[in-house]
Amino acid sequence: GDSVTQTEGQVALSEEDFLTIHCNYSASGYPTLFWYVQYPGEGPQLLFRASRDKEKGSSRGFEATYDKGTTSFHLRKASVQESDSAVYYCALSDRGNNKLTFGQGTVLSVIP
Amino acid sequence: EAAVTQSPRNKVTVTGGNVTLSCRQTNSHNYMYWYRQDTGHGLRLIHYSYGAGNLQIGDVPDGYKATRTTQEDFFLLLELASPSQTSLYFCASRRDREYEQYFGPGTRLTVL
Repeated sequence: GDSVTQTEGQVALSEEDFLTIHCNYSASGYPTLFWYVQYPGEGPQLLFRASRDKEKGSSRGFEATYDKGTTSFHLRKASVQESDSAVYYCALSDRGNNKLTFGQGTVLSVIP
Repeated sequence: EAAVTQSPRNKVTVTGGNVTLSCRQTNSHNYMYWYRQDTGHGLRLIHYSYGAGNLQIGDVPDGYKATRTTQEDFFLLLELASPSQTSLYFCASRRDREYEQYFGPGTRLTVL
């Protein structure tokens, strides 16, 4: 079945540091890829998505590029802020877009 | 913005107890989902539905039943709760032909 792997379980950075969270997927066909963010006490919310090879998704300074060759969708931000502290989930949708498969999540802590 | 509400927000029960978690969305979305969130596992899909009276099995359905009574309401039933079902449960909804899922605030369930 489909699967998503996030390499980092926890990431701790200082403000203005560069962020990378690695996401690799395994799926049949051509899934749509997503990054969701979850702030404390809330449900996840969509950050952005990408549907085609080499497409870049972006929002709020975060970005990721769909790479079908390496089956990856790594999240990056050039300069993190304390307000970016949250849990980040990589996810993919099945062919019919009926359901999402999520990665394990990465807890980002940004120290001021 | 889509509104998804869940009740109760917190629930404590005993092993063997009967629990119903409720979810309501007020945006006439076709699809509704139940997930559980556990550290190290991310979000895992329990059941989902694409309309009143419809039910689809997710990835971790054992020990759970669900019922979609109306377009707005989706319920998750645990008829013989076990400690392994202690978790944070999220409901989500989505409009047909759109990608984004909108999540509720979650219900924290503890089974003693």
